[in-house]
Parts: sequence; C-alpha cells; structure tokens
Amino acid sequence: DADVTQTPRNRITKTGKRIMLECSQTKGHDRMYWYRQDPGLGLRLIYYSFDVKDINKGEISDGYSVSRQAQAKFSLSLESAIPNQTALYFCATSDSIAQTQETQYFGPGTRLLVL
Amino acid sequence: EDQVTQSPEALRLQEGESSSLNCSYTVSGLRGLFWYRQDPGKGPEFLFTLYSAGEEKEKERLKATLTKKESFLHITAPKPEDSATYLCAVQAGDSNYQLIWGAGTKLIIKP
Repeated sequence: DADVTQTPRNRITKTGKRIMLECSQTKGHDRMYWYRQDPGLGLRLIYYSFDVKDINKGEISDGYSVSRQAQAKFSLSLESAIPNQTALYFCATSDSIAQTQETQYFGPGTRLLVL
Repeated sequence: EDQVTQSPEALRLQEGESSSLNCSYTVSGLRGLFWYRQDPGKGPEFLFTLYSAGEEKEKERLKATLTKKESFLHITAPKPEDSATYLCAVQAGDSNYQLIWGAGTKLIIKP
C-alpha cells in the first residue's frame, strides 16, 4: 500500500462549488503539506501543518482552507472553486525528528479541473 | 529573493548519451538541496539531499554534485526508463520547513 494517499485522483467541478481533497499517510510523520503544480512553474506551497494543532499558510493560501483531523489526515478545501484553481494538487509529509527532516514524501496527486 | 532556476527546460538524449542537468540557486544560506524525479501523473519521488559544497551522491546512473551556486545532476549512459521530469528544491538557512522549487527539467531518452 502507498505511504501517502490522496482522494480523489481526478475531479471535475464547476465554478462556485465547494470541494475537498483528502490526504492520508501511514508513514507516521508529523508534518504535512499541500502544494499545487502548474505547467512551467515550480511546486507552490498552499498550507502546511507541523502537528494537529499547528496549521500555517503557505505562499498561495488565498481561496483555500485546510483541516488536520488527525496526525495522519490533512484535507484541503476550495470554498468556492474558480477556473484558475485548475491544477495538480499534491500532499506531502516529512518527519521533524529525522536526520534529514526536510525530505518530503509525496502522494500521487489530485488532478482538478474547474469549469 | 530566494530563487531556484533549472536548465534546460527539456532535454532529449539518445540512449547511452550522457549529459547533465543544472539547478542554480540564490538563497540566504543553504541548509539543503534536494533532487526529485517525477513521472507523468505521479508525485515527485525523492532522489538525493546535498548539504554542503563539494558533496556528491550517486544512485545507479545518477550522480548529484553541489557548489556554492549550483547543483548538477549527471546522467551516465541513460536508458529510456530514466525519462522523467527532474525537480530541484532548496531549503534556505532561515527556514525550518519551506522548500523553494525549480520548474524542473523534462528528460526524454530515446531508444
């Protein structure tokens, strides 16, 4: 089984709809991240969480919200989707007590299309 | 401003033709430089972390090197299965979490 899973893998929605992307991990890591990837651009950080009670905005958090339901679960919500949120979304995890603490491990991604 | 630039954007090679990918960076103190491989429709897969100038790491046909301004990913005698997008990221010295990512180099190895 994959260590980091994301659901759904693909999603088509309409402008103005609220949607949620979910991420689960079995790696036992404390840190979790949400990124988006657009063609020709590097990965951009949306939100990150160092533990269940510690959630922080990344560089592009506007229009998004997150919830850390448990150490292993981190969900991303688009409150009112707009077409320029069409992108590939990745969840990642890292272990703060590991020697290489900032090595991040990624899920398979969710491809989102907003019409 | 912290920045990571990868070149070339795309590289086509014949099987067995060795080459290098470049990752140049400007950050306020480097804590680590990371290389990842990304296959189409999949998440990035961790390859290497480099911490200081002069450091080198190898894995199969790949070797990563680091200087004070850039990193190279050398690919020796590549095979078609090495085709992927290779991503570079850096962690700045004043950050304990955030990675700054390059846009990637798409590598295509033709048989």
